[in-house]
Amino acid sequence: QKEVEQDPGPLSVPEGAIVSLNCTYSNSAFQYFMWYRQYSRKGPELLMYTYSSGNKEDGRFTAQVDKSSKYISLFIRDSQPSDSATYLCAMRQGAQKLVFGQGTRLTINP
Amino acid sequence: KAGVTQTPRYLIKTRGQQVTLSCSPISGHRSVSWYQQTPGQGLQFLFEYFSETQRNKGNFPGRFSGRQFSNSRSEMNVSTLELGDSALYLCASSDQDGGEQYFGPGTRLTVT
Repeated sequence: QKEVEQDPGPLSVPEGAIVSLNCTYSNSAFQYFMWYRQYSRKGPELLMYTYSSGNKEDGRFTAQVDKSSKYISLFIRDSQPSDSATYLCAMRQGAQKLVFGQGTRLTINP
Repeated sequence: KAGVTQTPRYLIKTRGQQVTLSCSPISGHRSVSWYQQTPGQGLQFLFEYFSETQRNKGNFPGRFSGRQFSNSRSEMNVSTLELGDSALYLCASSDQDGGEQYFGPGTRLTVT
């Protein structure tokens, strides 16, 4: 079993829809949680960074962390075609290595 | 601030050769991590350097090695290249333990 599980999709939704992306994990020691967006043939771009449990909002993006359930989510409101990309969750414990999910390929249809 | 830079961006090598990739972190960042990304395996951690010392290491063979210089720039080397080493090699930098990691554009290595 992988430390971080993420449904690879693909996920296809119409423009303007609310998108929900999720990851589950097994290591209860993870403290830092991140979401990255990666366009084709580019490096991952940091979208959201949270420490421990709770919610964080940045524009159209909301990140949620539920440590009791070992479950994190990223919500995208008013989705745009430019949001079409692969979304990767990542997490780490202190100074340990960053562990990534497999990534979810998302397509927003105009 | 300038972002993480990686050189070269593209490389084509032959089996058995060796290759060196370079990464310049964001100014002030002392931690540099390297990752290999392939369609089948996703992002896999290679190693992390902090203040010129290797702090974490992934599960890759000894053909993969790295180092960090006093100015925090880092290099990774792959010796005796195999076809399976074809991948996007990504470098990321961070300014503190557990802090946000910022990625460079990657070096796409093709081994023929």
